[in-house]
Amino acid sequence: DIQLTQSPSSLSASVGDRVTITCRASQDAGISLAWFQQKPGKAPKSLIYAASTLQSGVPPRFSGSGSGTDFTLTISSLQPEDFATYFCQQYENYPYTFGQGTRLEIK
Amino acid sequence: EVQLEESGGGLVQPGGSLRLSCMVSGFTVSDYFMDWVRQAPGRGLEWVARCTSKARGDITVYAASVRGRFSISRDDSKNSLYLQMNSLKIEDTAVYFCVRGYNSFDTWGQGTLVSVSS
Repeated sequence: DIQLTQSPSSLSASVGDRVTITCRASQDAGISLAWFQQKPGKAPKSLIYAASTLQSGVPPRFSGSGSGTDFTLTISSLQPEDFATYFCQQYENYPYTFGQGTRLEIK
Repeated sequence: EVQLEESGGGLVQPGGSLRLSCMVSGFTVSDYFMDWVRQAPGRGLEWVARCTSKARGDITVYAASVRGRFSISRDDSKNSLYLQMNSLKIEDTAVYFCVRGYNSFDTWGQGTLVSVSS
């Protein structure tokens, strides 16, 4: 199985900050890497697929990069609605796996 | 509008069975890969099962933790997806999400809670 490790596990930031979350895969995931945002009590929302492609309707302040084993999610200028938990996910191989999550909190 | 609506969750004893349903609107369920993903209370996400599209042969794939106990299926006449869960264990307690497997997982239902407890 491909294990995904996110860092940091939690992060405090302010509105307007630029933040970066990393996701490291235990083996080559190609570009089959997605990012999701989840708010308490809600279903995850897809942000990015194929490592760097924004899902329709996602604001351009979100961006993704990477390939192989190292990936990043960057939010260029945090907005109040961005405070949530973020998960990476690989769909290169079965079983599809998720990172443990990064909780983004207001400083 | 694309929508997924799960139902069928509830409280069940260990060893029991439950069938989850996912009613799909806004697209034809047989045209897409469809998945179930679960999230235990306060925990991360775990992919559970996949059914490929009709064009790709209706192939089913399962996570090792549920293989042999869970079964994913589709009823094209009802445009719906199902998850039959047998021999339930306490560790199956989670919110179960129905997900469209397009461009990774592009659309999620709101989830249905399954609680396994004696």
